[in-house]
Amino acid sequence: EVQLQQSGAELGKPGTSVKLSCKVSGYNIRNTYMHWVNQRPGKGLEWIGRIDPANGNTIYAEKFKSKATLTADTSSNTAYMQLSQLKSDDTAIYFCAMDYSVNWFAYWGQGTLVTVSS
Amino acid sequence: EIVLTQSPTTMAASPGEKVTITCRASSSVSYMHWFQQKSGTSPKPWIYDTSKLASGVPDRFSGSGSGTSYSLTISSMEAEDAATYYCLQRSSYPLTFGSGTKLEIK
Repeated sequence: EVQLQQSGAELGKPGTSVKLSCKVSGYNIRNTYMHWVNQRPGKGLEWIGRIDPANGNTIYAEKFKSKATLTADTSSNTAYMQLSQLKSDDTAIYFCAMDYSVNWFAYWGQGTLVTVSS
Repeated sequence: EIVLTQSPTTMAASPGEKVTITCRASSSVSYMHWFQQKSGTSPKPWIYDTSKLASGVPDRFSGSGSGTSYSLTISSMEAEDAATYYCLQRSSYPLTFGSGTKLEIK
């Protein structure tokens, strides 16, 4: 069974960084893409970017190019997203999602709430 | 960037009623994908490649469309279908989601 387990809630001060993790079990992440999506309070889904863990290649949505950094550790089967220069409007739930075969976003993590507050 | 416009934004349907949610793309896309999200939970893949139901999705759901116009249809609304539905295009980067359609039961 494929499972994505995300790290716990984060409280970050403005101007600081946080690093979220997404550990995958039941599937080798070298064989797929890992995506990150956010959802601000009461709002819709927003694609941040994706990483190919096999080679580290990344693609970002323009607005997140200087905000998010995606990495992956194939030895631990874990994807990471670092959010930098936190601002109040970075407060959101952040989901990781994994492609599986031809099904993109086939599996999702439970989400990590990031709250930015001084 | 391809912008996806969903309509309606919110709607309520009675049990047994037919429901149609539309998703219009600002440029032509090859396929449309749909997700269901219930409050406080992660989105679930619901329909992929325009018309293929994800595992476990009831067959009262269907998807159709091409080019810039796509739709998700429920043939007969049930209470468990109340949720927010999002469309997604993956024809070009950046991937984009529609703004969502909140479907409630009357």
